[in-house]
Amino acid sequence: DAKTTQPPSMDCAEGRAANLPCNHSTISGNEYVYWYRQIHSQGPQYIIHGLKNNETNEMASLIITEDRKSSTLILPHATLRDTAVYYCIVRPQTGANSKLTFGKGITLSVRP
Amino acid sequence: DAGVIQSPRHEVTEMGQEVTLRCKPISGHDYLFWYRQTMMRGLELLIYFNNNVPIDDSGMPEDRFSAKMPNASFSTLKIQPSEPRDSAVYFCASSLFDEQFFGPGTRLTVL
Repeated sequence: DAKTTQPPSMDCAEGRAANLPCNHSTISGNEYVYWYRQIHSQGPQYIIHGLKNNETNEMASLIITEDRKSSTLILPHATLRDTAVYYCIVRPQTGANSKLTFGKGITLSVRP
Repeated sequence: DAGVIQSPRHEVTEMGQEVTLRCKPISGHDYLFWYRQTMMRGLELLIYFNNNVPIDDSGMPEDRFSAKMPNASFSTLKIQPSEPRDSAVYFCASSLFDEQFFGPGTRLTVL
C-alpha cells in the first residue's frame, strides 16, 4: 500500500477553516484516499474518501491534487469538538475487503 | 441502530489469566475487524472476517491470541494466557461497503 506523510500536529482557531495536508506521492491509479479521525478515548470515525475528484459531505471537503500525490482535508468551520487525531489513509480499492492501515496521523487542536 | 457494541469496556486482569473480549457488529454488516491500539504501535489490524469466515489473521501477534465469529452478530477475541504487553485498547469495527464503523473499544490492563 502507498504510504502517507502527515505533519504531527497543527492548530486552528474555533470558527476558522482547518486545512489538514497529506502527502501520498507513491499512490497508484486504483488507490483511494480516505480520512478518518479519532477523538480522544473513542473509536476512529470515517470522514470522507475520494479517488481524484474533489469530494464534499456534511463533515468536510477533500481536495486531491491533479497528480494525486497530495490531498487536503478541509473542515470549513472548526469547533472545539473537532479536536482529534486525523488519519489520512491510502487504500488499494473501495470495498470493505481491503484493509485500513493507520499511520500516526495529525493531531488537530482547535483553540477557543 | 446502536452501532458496534463491545464488552467489557474496561478489563483489568492478572498475567496468565484468560481474557475474552466481545463484539456485536452492526446488523447487516458482513465484515468485522479487530484492531489493537497502543501508544508505541498505534492502531493495528489484528484480524478480519467476511461472512463469519476469517480472511486475514496476519496481524494476530502470536498463538496466545485467537478470534472467532460463530454467527453474524457476535465475535470474540481471546487472549490466553495474557501478558502485561497485551495491555491496550482493542477496537472492533464492522462494515458493509467502504466505511468502517468502530465500536467504543475495550481498555485491557494486564498486571
